[in-house]
Amino acid sequence: AQKVTQAQTEISVVEKEDVTLDCVYETRDTTYYLFWYKQPPSGELVFLIRRNSFDEQNEISGRYSWNFQKSTSSFNFTITASQVVDSAVYFCALDKSGGGADGLTFGKGTHLIIQP
Amino acid sequence: DAGVTQSPTHLIKTRGQHVTLRCSPISGHKSVSWYQQVLGQGPQFIFQYYEKEERGRGNFPDRFSARQFPNYSSELNVNALLLGDSALYLCASSSRLIIDEKLFFGSGTQLSVL
Repeated sequence: AQKVTQAQTEISVVEKEDVTLDCVYETRDTTYYLFWYKQPPSGELVFLIRRNSFDEQNEISGRYSWNFQKSTSSFNFTITASQVVDSAVYFCALDKSGGGADGLTFGKGTHLIIQP
Repeated sequence: DAGVTQSPTHLIKTRGQHVTLRCSPISGHKSVSWYQQVLGQGPQFIFQYYEKEERGRGNFPDRFSARQFPNYSSELNVNALLLGDSALYLCASSSRLIIDEKLFFGSGTQLSVL
């Protein structure tokens, strides 16, 4: 069975601080995909990044960066110089490659609050 | 282009009733998935449909059913509603069956069962 753990239920920081959201996953598959989604108060989930299990390169996109470490089964997300607009619930998710039959397995989410 | 649209936005039902939720995918997308998100939890997979056929089913009772129409829109039906069915129901679309590409989500239908 697959499992995603986001141990941080809520994080509150002051604007311009850096913040890291943790994600630890469990799977028996050798090929899988990891995702991060953002859920603003409006409710829809917004795709941020997808990473396959064979690509351990870290990725940076503007103020966002992701650290994938297969050895520790972690896929952490860092926001640099946080802004109030970053306030949302962030979900880490896992899926088996080429599947569809099981859908995405989501963590419980981390509620990020950026205070002005 | 319009994103994934869901209707209704909010719905209040009583225990034992039946409910139908609707979803229109992004134009050109043939895959529709349904997720249930209970307050304070992550979304949980219910169904995936592709080309009008069920391609995946999560761990939900038979009270939950769905279908996809020729125009790729979809309906989620829930019979004999229970209080525990109260949740945000999210629909997501993608262009292909393979789940490793990103999903586009709608804003959801908030279902309250009293």
